[in-house]
Amino acid sequence: SYELTQSLSVSVALGQTARITCGGNNIGIKNVHWYQQKPALAPVLVMYRNNNRPSGIPERFSGSNSGNTATLTISRVQGGDEADYYCQVWDSTTEFGGGTKLTVL
Amino acid sequence: VQLVQSGAEVKKPGASVKVSCNTSGYTFTDYYIHWVRQAPGQGLEWMGWINPNSGGTNYALKFQGRVTMTRDTSIYTAYMELSSLRSDDTAVYYCARNLANFYDTIGPDAFDIWGQGTMVTVSS
Repeated sequence: SYELTQSLSVSVALGQTARITCGGNNIGIKNVHWYQQKPALAPVLVMYRNNNRPSGIPERFSGSNSGNTATLTISRVQGGDEADYYCQVWDSTTEFGGGTKLTVL
Repeated sequence: VQLVQSGAEVKKPGASVKVSCNTSGYTFTDYYIHWVRQAPGQGLEWMGWINPNSGGTNYALKFQGRVTMTRDTSIYTAYMELSSLRSDDTAVYYCARNLANFYDTIGPDAFDIWGQGTMVTVSS
């Protein structure tokens, strides 16, 4: 199976930029999707196919994917962005990264 | 567009559970439905998908032989049944819609709409 590696946690000050990474072998040739999950709620798609925002997701969210790392970038971080973030790719099957907890200081 | 799941379940080890996912607001037969579970405090785990148009399924290797995904097109509802339950099957089970429809060439894609989740507790 295809392995995805995410940092367990990322902390960022209010109003600064958060970068959440997802590592995988040659992940740059795959489509990466990102989900935000707040406690006791279902995941919400925040980025699909590397750098596409679903409707309703703020422009502060952006994505990139190259080489062995995909990145979800959140600019001007707000308190409401505090959540777990998961990356996902399809290989022969689909895999999720282990999740990154974003803490806003 | 909405996916509404059935309520929480408590089951004994060895039993089966069947979770429903009632859809509305879109053409049910145009999109894969996926099932994903999340054990307490853990990450997301994909279980498989069903093609509501054909009834065809694709299950994750881990669940083959224990999971059955079906659908009833007359009521726009997908089902996931998991058998031979164990304590480590205790989790929230989600259904989710595939972003791309069958007229796209993308196939399995991101999951754009999720159900609210169904808590399944397996305990003696």
